[in-house]
Amino acid sequence: DAGVTQSPTHLIKTRGQHVTLRCSPISGHKSVSWYQQVLGQGPQFIFQYYEKEERGRGNFPDRFSARQFPNYSSELNVNALLLGDSALYLCASEVVGETQYFGPGTRLLVL
Amino acid sequence: GNSVTQMEGPVTLSEEAFLTINCTYTATGYPSLFWYVQYPGEGLQLLLKATKADDKGSNKGFEATYRKETTSFHLEKGSVQVSDSAVYFCALSGRNSGNTPLVFGKGTRLSVIA
Repeated sequence: DAGVTQSPTHLIKTRGQHVTLRCSPISGHKSVSWYQQVLGQGPQFIFQYYEKEERGRGNFPDRFSARQFPNYSSELNVNALLLGDSALYLCASEVVGETQYFGPGTRLLVL
Repeated sequence: GNSVTQMEGPVTLSEEAFLTINCTYTATGYPSLFWYVQYPGEGLQLLLKATKADDKGSNKGFEATYRKETTSFHLEKGSVQVSDSAVYFCALSGRNSGNTPLVFGKGTRLSVIA
């Protein structure tokens, strides 16, 4: 079975630009969560979506938004990029209440 | 709020040495506890988990026991290999509250030398 997939794998943007990251969950998983991992730190929770509705939101500014589609895939959008948004963005999927499985991540560099 | 504290790295060991990475947590209720591993340039892989007190999670020779009395979930392996070199993250999920986001420690980098 395919695991969680994310695209793109790497991305370079400049300050002020917008970025969209994509995630496809494991087949049968209806919940998707997004995490930001800054270099040298543990992942920080950004959003959780279940059945296309936001279930939880971490302590991130409104520049960060997300959505989930009918096929349970998800997008994370970040507007007005800052240098500090440079990080590895991880997507995780789960059957709600069970273990979260992570994708390989999208490495974003903001110049 | 919920939090996880794990020992600072990096940890450098010789092959076949014994490994312990300490992890303690603060949480309301009865969280589930996890160890994830991250190899260079990759995402996170679940290593093991425990969902209630006194449970022992194990995988690939690694073990950790959920100790409610000491709020700990220390990771151990009896004989490490070079291939175990990675960053290890302790995490918890406050599932009893119906909220499943993971809270991670800062990670411990392990380097095993031949």
